[in-house]
Amino acid sequence: AQSVTQLDSHVSVSEGTPVLLRCNYSSSYSPSLFWYVQHPNKGLQLLLKYTSAATLVKGINGFEAEFKKSETSFHLTKPSAHMSDAAEYFCVVSDPRGTALIFGKGTTLSVSS
Amino acid sequence: NAGVTQTPKFQVLKTGQSMTLQCAQDMNHNSMYWYRQDPGMGLRLIYYSASEGTTDKGEVPNGYNVSRLNKREFSLRLESAAPSQTSVYFCASTQGNQETQYFGPGTRLLVL
Repeated sequence: AQSVTQLDSHVSVSEGTPVLLRCNYSSSYSPSLFWYVQHPNKGLQLLLKYTSAATLVKGINGFEAEFKKSETSFHLTKPSAHMSDAAEYFCVVSDPRGTALIFGKGTTLSVSS
Repeated sequence: NAGVTQTPKFQVLKTGQSMTLQCAQDMNHNSMYWYRQDPGMGLRLIYYSASEGTTDKGEVPNGYNVSRLNKREFSLRLESAAPSQTSVYFCASTQGNQETQYFGPGTRLLVL
């Protein structure tokens, strides 16, 4: 079965320092992988998507993620955190039929000044 | 461009009451989904509709029914609400398999 594990439930960084949110996936096929962000009391917004093209995927707001098949990982990074990055982040994999998404449990990112 | 809209935004129910959550999309998408979000659980799929006229169960369908009224609209019904159904409900739509899903703003439901 497909699954997603977000390795940290909460990450705290200082403004201007790098962000790393870790995600491992389990899949028996070539999945599509996504990172979504949810700001407090808001809906979900797509940050970036991997669909078997380039392994390094660039998203919005300076985020990027690298697909590493050998490590079954899809970690999200940003060189320099901004206060507005404080939110909950979800790593997501598509199911085998591609008809639904399987969500990780989320990582809450806190950014301090 | 409205995208995916949901009504109501917030609802309080008593145990045993029924209600319908409405969802509409204006992107001409084929597929629509209902998820629930609970703290520490991520989003879990309740039901989905791959195309107009079809619906399928997701991970947590018990206690819910859905109707794909037309290509634009996909409703979620709670026939007899239970406190365990207290959650935030999100509707989403997508053009097809492996494509990006677009989410509505959510409905916060409290069942007393």
